[in-house]
Amino acid sequence: NAGVMQNPRHLVRRRGQEARLRCSPMKGHSHVYWYRQLPEEGLKFMVYLQKENIIDESGMPKERFSAEFPKEGPSILRIQQVVRGDSAAYFCASSPEIAGADTQYFGPGTRLTVL
Amino acid sequence: TQLLEQSPQFLSIQEGENLTVYCNSSSVFSSLQWYRQEPGEGPVLLVTVVTGGEVKKLKRLTFQFGDARKDSSLHITAAQPGDTGLYLCAGNDYGQNFVFGPGTRLSVLP
Repeated sequence: NAGVMQNPRHLVRRRGQEARLRCSPMKGHSHVYWYRQLPEEGLKFMVYLQKENIIDESGMPKERFSAEFPKEGPSILRIQQVVRGDSAAYFCASSPEIAGADTQYFGPGTRLTVL
Repeated sequence: TQLLEQSPQFLSIQEGENLTVYCNSSSVFSSLQWYRQEPGEGPVLLVTVVTGGEVKKLKRLTFQFGDARKDSSLHITAAQPGDTGLYLCAGNDYGQNFVFGPGTRLSVLP
């Protein structure tokens, strides 16, 4: 059973460009979470999605950031007009449908560098 | 707003020593997870604890969930250099939201 997959593993963008980060959850998992991690810091929650629905986006910056989890295909985190402060590791996690005693499983992350 | 605190923030010990790291909150969680993260990688799940007072052992690692389900501890016996990493705790708030602590950065020196 393949784990959570993220691509690309490394992404370099110039200021003003768009960054698209992809996440394929574990088989059978319908819940996806995105986190951001700055160097030497913990994980900061960004958004929680189920198929075709955004459940909680309280951690997402109001501008330039968006996320989707379509019926078919991976979840996408999109950052428009990137700035140097967007440089970070972005992690995706997935969990199965049962709530309460749930556990998240993480992907390897995408390291975004904005030049 | 739920917050998870972890202590110590940094810990450097010699191989063979024992250590305990802590995860504390004023909130009650339905479950709590411990992860270890190595540089350049994603967090890897170590354990999930669900029942207040629960103790789980994973080889040299012992995890305990507080009776009130607000705190947890991780004890490592005879630490090895391979235990080096960032240890993160995360709590589930009876829904699908997970709150992460800032982590304890452990370094085990040979």
